[in-house]
Amino acid sequence: SAVISQKPSRDICQRGTSLTIQCQVDSQVTMMFWYRQQPGQSLTLIATANQGSEATYESGFVIDKFPISRPNLTFSTLTVSNMSPEDSSIYLCSVEDPDRQGYNEQFFGPGTRLTVL
Amino acid sequence: AQSVTQLDSHVSVSEGTPVLLRCNYSSSYSPSLFWYVQHPNKGLQLLLKYTSAATLVKGINGFEAEFKKSETSFHLTKPSAHMSDAAEYFCVVSATDSWGKLQFGAGTQVVVTP
Repeated sequence: SAVISQKPSRDICQRGTSLTIQCQVDSQVTMMFWYRQQPGQSLTLIATANQGSEATYESGFVIDKFPISRPNLTFSTLTVSNMSPEDSSIYLCSVEDPDRQGYNEQFFGPGTRLTVL
Repeated sequence: AQSVTQLDSHVSVSEGTPVLLRCNYSSSYSPSLFWYVQHPNKGLQLLLKYTSAATLVKGINGFEAEFKKSETSFHLTKPSAHMSDAAEYFCVVSATDSWGKLQFGAGTQVVVTP
């Protein structure tokens, strides 16, 4: 199974600033995903990031607010731009990795807990 | 389109008694279904998954779930709750045409009392 790390694990930021979150995987994967978990809520998919192409954003999320990079098959970044307190959430990256039967499983990173003041 | 509904936002059980977490799904295509667990301040862990093989799926830590197409349900059960089972549980659906996108349910908070 894929092992995923994220940096930073948590941060406290001022409104109007931007934060870039890094996601590193210990193996090459095609598809990476970014999720947001607002306080007390479930996870919502922000975007899908495939290497070599532009990220695909879900409804309600735009590239200007959440630019994503995917420079290679083991790394991705998500930037939260021009932050407001409403952006306070846990941001998680995930990857698809096949199990022994060839079915894709998604593995999640530990998350980045962001607080915007 | 796909969606998932967790019927209970909060479940409280006594240690040693059975646990039942209910989940109904909606999917236009043959779905894959998952249960994930999230312990406080920890990452998400996959408990089990259904991918069109056996309808009764066994997972880690004694959990199992049964896929019932006629009822569009995928309820999670455990015969005997342990204190360490206290966590948030998410039912998740992925359709074959969704390119890996997961749709999460709202979650069920499980409390285990001694």
